[in-house]
Amino acid sequence: AQKVTQAQTEISVVEKEDVTLDCVYETRDTTYYLFWYKQPPSGELVFLIRRNSFDEQNEISGRYSWNFQKSTSSFNFTITASQVVDSAVYFCALSVTTVGTYKYIFGTGTRLKVLA
Amino acid sequence: SAVISQKPSRDICQRGTSLTIQCQVDSQVTMMFWYRQQPGQSLTLIATANQGSEATYESGFVIDKFPISRPNLTFSTLTVSNMSPEDSSIYLCSVGRTVPSYEQYFGPGTRLTVT
Repeated sequence: AQKVTQAQTEISVVEKEDVTLDCVYETRDTTYYLFWYKQPPSGELVFLIRRNSFDEQNEISGRYSWNFQKSTSSFNFTITASQVVDSAVYFCALSVTTVGTYKYIFGTGTRLKVLA
Repeated sequence: SAVISQKPSRDICQRGTSLTIQCQVDSQVTMMFWYRQQPGQSLTLIATANQGSEATYESGFVIDKFPISRPNLTFSTLTVSNMSPEDSSIYLCSVGRTVPSYEQYFGPGTRLTVT
């Protein structure tokens, strides 16, 4: 089965707290890509990061960091010193290849509420 | 990335009618996709819009209900036919790159309410 699981439906934190959003995936592909997207209340999906299956280096971008571990099939996302503007729904996605094309499988999303 | 626009941004429609949603991209792209996001839910792929050929539909979605056109590499339309309240959703188009990144970029979405 090819699947993405985001077990955390909703998380609430107080501003300046750190928060980690979990993503666990299943795939039969040996080469695959994982993504995180942010969907603020306006509704538009914003691309945050891509990671391919051969690159297990962690990545940091400002207050955002990502931890990819193939051994546990996880691709977790941490926001450091959260801010109210981080309030959004965050989706983890897996690209799966099909004949001649590919598609995304999305997790169910985690709603993050950052309280002032 | 690409700049993607969708029209209309939102609409309220009556049961039994049809609505056509347009997706315009500022550059030529090979892959275009249409998604549905029901209230409070994740994104579900409806179909891949193929230029010059019929769209490829996912399980549970049929051409009669969601006809798609892709006349060129920058434009696509999705029609939601014979609407019912269950079709109330956000409909998003996306454009995708293949090698080496497989990234997708999403339009702003069309919020559809069916009464």
